[in-house]
Amino acid sequence: DAGITQSPRYKITETGRQVTLMCHQTWSHSYMFWYRQDLGHGLRLIYYSAAADITDKGEVPDGYVVSRSKTENFPLTLESATRSQTSVYFCASSESGFNQPQHFGDGTRLSIL
Amino acid sequence: QQPVQSPQAVILREGEDAVINCSSSKALYSVHWYRQKHGEAPVFLMILLKGGEQKGHEKISASFNEKKQQSSLYLTASQLSYSGTYFCGTVITGTASKLTFGTGTRLQVTL
Repeated sequence: DAGITQSPRYKITETGRQVTLMCHQTWSHSYMFWYRQDLGHGLRLIYYSAAADITDKGEVPDGYVVSRSKTENFPLTLESATRSQTSVYFCASSESGFNQPQHFGDGTRLSIL
Repeated sequence: QQPVQSPQAVILREGEDAVINCSSSKALYSVHWYRQKHGEAPVFLMILLKGGEQKGHEKISASFNEKKQQSSLYLTASQLSYSGTYFCGTVITGTASKLTFGTGTRLQVTL
């Protein structure tokens, strides 16, 4: 089925470890986004991508790395996880930019011990 | 640049109306509204572009006053299914502007 899928749905890891969250969309949308959601902060943009091989920082990019070698995939990597990165992470996509509806994946709940 | 939403939370009885406000200190190009049910992903409701248009879908509508840099979401004759957290997002006028979300308004509709 068409849509946007994230994996894993839940992840527990330890501080200092590297962890990669996956995001895959089947709509061929140009734009993809990564957000983190924390109580009291709403949704905060980490990184976004306008097309394959084009990525840019959002509001809270420190500690995260992204890549987009194919239009449909947009993985997010925490190179050395810290407890402050415990959060719910949402991937989203839109057809052509920030002024289009964004379609969100179901989220990854990440706990860093 | 994060928009401010009010109220932070509201409890309604089924059939009552509610208004959720979103304001910005910057000139806005667009306002976006999303609803998120507990444990689920945010779901797009509507986008309002500069021009002051009012949009609606069934009993949920919104307005955008670009002069005041404000938007309001109107929920009419609320249903139990309207419960959730409503987020506004704003794109400020200017190049390279990103969508920035407010902290949300929690709406609970009871019998």
